Amino acid sequence: NAGVMQNPRHLVRRRGQEARLRCSPMKGHSHVYWYRQLPEEGLKFMVYLQKENIIDESGMPKERFSAEFPKEGPSILRIQQVVRGDSAAYFCASSLTPTQNTEAFFGQGTRLTVV
Amino acid sequence: EDQVTQSPEALRLQEGESSSLNCSYTVSGLRGLFWYRQDPGKGPEFLFTLYSAGEEKEKERLKATLTKKESFLHITAPKPEDSATYLCAVQAAGYGGSQGNLIFGKGTKLSVKP
Repeated sequence: NAGVMQNPRHLVRRRGQEARLRCSPMKGHSHVYWYRQLPEEGLKFMVYLQKENIIDESGMPKERFSAEFPKEGPSILRIQQVVRGDSAAYFCASSLTPTQNTEAFFGQGTRLTVV
Repeated sequence: EDQVTQSPEALRLQEGESSSLNCSYTVSGLRGLFWYRQDPGKGPEFLFTLYSAGEEKEKERLKATLTKKESFLHITAPKPEDSATYLCAVQAAGYGGSQGNLIFGKGTKLSVKP
């Protein structure tokens, strides 16, 4: 899973600031998924994107959160006006195709701390 | 509501002491069940995908099995390097065909002492 690159690995933000998390998928992968892992909780799906399209955002909070995967460059998960409850590990995964026979590879995650 | 429950939450074994981890699920149509390994501070590492009841897959000391209601991850003669959190996830019908949108359990934290 070293092929999925996330940065930064650790991010500290004060309440009210914006957090930008970046994800570069494995080479050749055009499907990207974001998950959030709260302390003592399981991974929760947030959003699924293909290049320039949001396919499924059923797990995204309605406010303050947005995601994009532009034609060029990494996928970005943006959290505006962060609050303490946003502190969590955010993981990105990518896959070659959307079929169920394709495993998704995860990155190392970005650990967001809101102070 | 689709749900995944893993047990036990934590398991301590002596090196060489075989055991099993449980993943029970309730889902409206199973597309696939996945096992991942997660080390502290790292992202999940894919282990297995199972698609239908009766299916089994093996990798080194690990063997995953699937029934209509649960999956087991059997660990034979574990070593200290097998210590990690093991995550189970399901993909439910009704979602898109991607492996994204997986429903994860909270995991079983395995510790293997030498």
